Amino acid sequence: EVQLVESGGDLVQSGGSLRLSCAASGFIFSSYNMNWVRQAPGKGLEWVAYINRVSDIIYYADSVKGRFTISRDNAKNSLFLEMNSLRTEDTAVYYCVRVRSSTTCSFDSWGQGTLVTVSS
Amino acid sequence: QSLLTQPPSASGTPGQTVTISCSGSSSNIGSNTVNWYQQFPGTAPKLLIYKNNQRPSGVPDRFSGSKSGTSTSLAISGLQSEDEADYYCAAWDDSLNGPVFGGGTKLTVL
Repeated sequence: EVQLVESGGDLVQSGGSLRLSCAASGFIFSSYNMNWVRQAPGKGLEWVAYINRVSDIIYYADSVKGRFTISRDNAKNSLFLEMNSLRTEDTAVYYCVRVRSSTTCSFDSWGQGTLVTVSS
Repeated sequence: QSLLTQPPSASGTPGQTVTISCSGSSSNIGSNTVNWYQQFPGTAPKLLIYKNNQRPSGVPDRFSGSKSGTSTSLAISGLQSEDEADYYCAAWDDSLNGPVFGGGTKLTVL
């Protein structure tokens, strides 16, 4: 069974930093492109960052570019999101998301999410 | 404001067919395939439709997707109370180099 388990969400002050982790199991992690997607309380879905299987293609949403860094460790079946210079508008549930094979952005597996709260 | 436009709400009675629309542009829906997601309150989204009209295993054939030009729609036939959820369309955007989501449509089964 495919499992994605996020951790690292917390309450942090504006300007602070946080590192999210996602532990993957039940599939060959190194064979899949991965993303982070977030959802602010009561709002819709917003894509945050993409990383391909071998970490040589990385994209960010304009809203986080220069502040967030996505990375992965295929040996440890893990995905990460380093978040710096956090703003109140970064408050959201952050989901670790797998891309379905042979697609560009069909997200076929989602974690349960981890809540990041940025206070002013 | 989302690059993909969906109606904020939709409704129907059990057994009816409901259609949810999603409008985009040439840089997203017009040149890339579309996905649809279903989300129940307090849970993670679930992939419902990919590549415009393909259903992952386990998704009932009551759910169908279609695309024409820069618009797409999700149809739910034989509406059931358990279909009450939020629905999101999504597609890759060539200008942004990333996927974009619609604002979501809250479906109510009356």
